[in-house]
Amino acid sequence: GEDVEQSLFLSVREGDSSVINCTYTDSSSTYLYWYKQEPGAGLQLLTYIFSNMDMKQDQRLTVLLNKKDKHLSLRIADTQTGDSAIYFCAERRAPGGFKTIFGAGTRLFVKA
Amino acid sequence: DAMVIQNPRYQVTQFGKPVTLSCSQTLNHNVMYWYQQKSSQAPKLLFHYYDKDFNNEADTPDNFQSRRPNTSFCFLDIRSPGLGDAAMYLCATSRRDTDTQYFGPGTRLTVL
Repeated sequence: GEDVEQSLFLSVREGDSSVINCTYTDSSSTYLYWYKQEPGAGLQLLTYIFSNMDMKQDQRLTVLLNKKDKHLSLRIADTQTGDSAIYFCAERRAPGGFKTIFGAGTRLFVKA
Repeated sequence: DAMVIQNPRYQVTQFGKPVTLSCSQTLNHNVMYWYQQKSSQAPKLLFHYYDKDFNNEADTPDNFQSRRPNTSFCFLDIRSPGLGDAAMYLCATSRRDTDTQYFGPGTRLTVL
């Protein structure tokens, strides 16, 4: 199938780490992305990982990829109230490279 | 500086009254995309242009059309908006079909 699946909600306390999980179905995926969407705004690219990598770190963000299980996660260290948003996982498939498939998004609530 | 610009940010139209949404980019990217995003859902690709080549998704209704007069601009025309077309419309660009997509802030369309 085409699905990219994510849990719908996550609630954390300010200062804690957040882990948002995603599973995808297509083993031919080349790139996997995390986008952030704040209310009323477009999608902001946070980070991405090539399918031949298993980890990428960028400041407070750590992306882990388990290709065998088709599982992607985004860890946000020291979560702040400004991190409250919807986080979309997306995969870019090959061949036929235009197709990017998005998950339904995980809404992150950060409690002060 | 804004790289993918969408106008207007909010558009209200009447049932059946044609409407045009605008997207422009300063990135000189070859590919431009239009997505429809309904509340709490993943963005859904409507169509894209690779340079002047138009590519329609199989399930995009005929009511939706697009024009790309030059590299920088792309328009989404909704010929006869229905209540079900109320959504956020997102424009995105990428350098090539294999590259990361960058999104504009979106236009929220309301149909009365």
